[in-house]
Amino acid sequence: KAGVTQTPRYLIKTRGQQVTLSCSPISGHRSVSWYQQTPGQGLQFLFEYFSETQRNKGNFPGRFSGRQFSNSRSEMNVSTLELGDSALYLCASSLWQGPYEQYFGPGTRLTVT
Amino acid sequence: KQEVTQIPAALSVPEGENLVLNCSFTDSAIYNLQWFRQDPGKGLTSLLLIQSSQREQTSGRLNASLDKSSGRSTLYIAASQPGDSATYLCAVALSREGGSNYKLTFGKGTLLTVNP
Repeated sequence: KAGVTQTPRYLIKTRGQQVTLSCSPISGHRSVSWYQQTPGQGLQFLFEYFSETQRNKGNFPGRFSGRQFSNSRSEMNVSTLELGDSALYLCASSLWQGPYEQYFGPGTRLTVT
Repeated sequence: KQEVTQIPAALSVPEGENLVLNCSFTDSAIYNLQWFRQDPGKGLTSLLLIQSSQREQTSGRLNASLDKSSGRSTLYIAASQPGDSATYLCAVALSREGGSNYKLTFGKGTLLTVNP
């Protein structure tokens, strides 16, 4: 069974631009969560999507948004990029909404210059 | 607010040694605890998941224990190998809102180096 895939793997953007990251969960998994990982803050929860609805949200500004499609694939969007948004963005899928075992993708490395 | 602490931040051991990684959390009302491994620049690989009602889980050379009352978990690695070198993270699932709105809170990780 294929794992979680994320595209693109690397991205360089300029301050003020916006970016869209994509995540395809493991086949059959219905829940997708997004995390931001930085050296200073570690791994922080962004949001969780299940059945095309955001079910849970972390403490990030409204510039961070996402959506989920009917095939469970998810996208995350960051608008008006700031230097501090440079991070590894990880997507995780699980079978269902809630505290099920999470399986992570390889991440998208975003660099904002 | 749930806080997860991992000690030590870094650990270097010779090959073949048995070792223990520690994870502590401040809110004992967790649903489960999960241990992950992360290789440099890569995503996370799930190692073990312990439900709050369980005391330990084992997979191969790995054994994870959970003591909810004291807010502690340990990951025991037997007969360490150079391939075990990675960052090990623990994460707890907690819901303060009830229902199914759980969040994973991660520790900062322990960087393990196993020297040949």
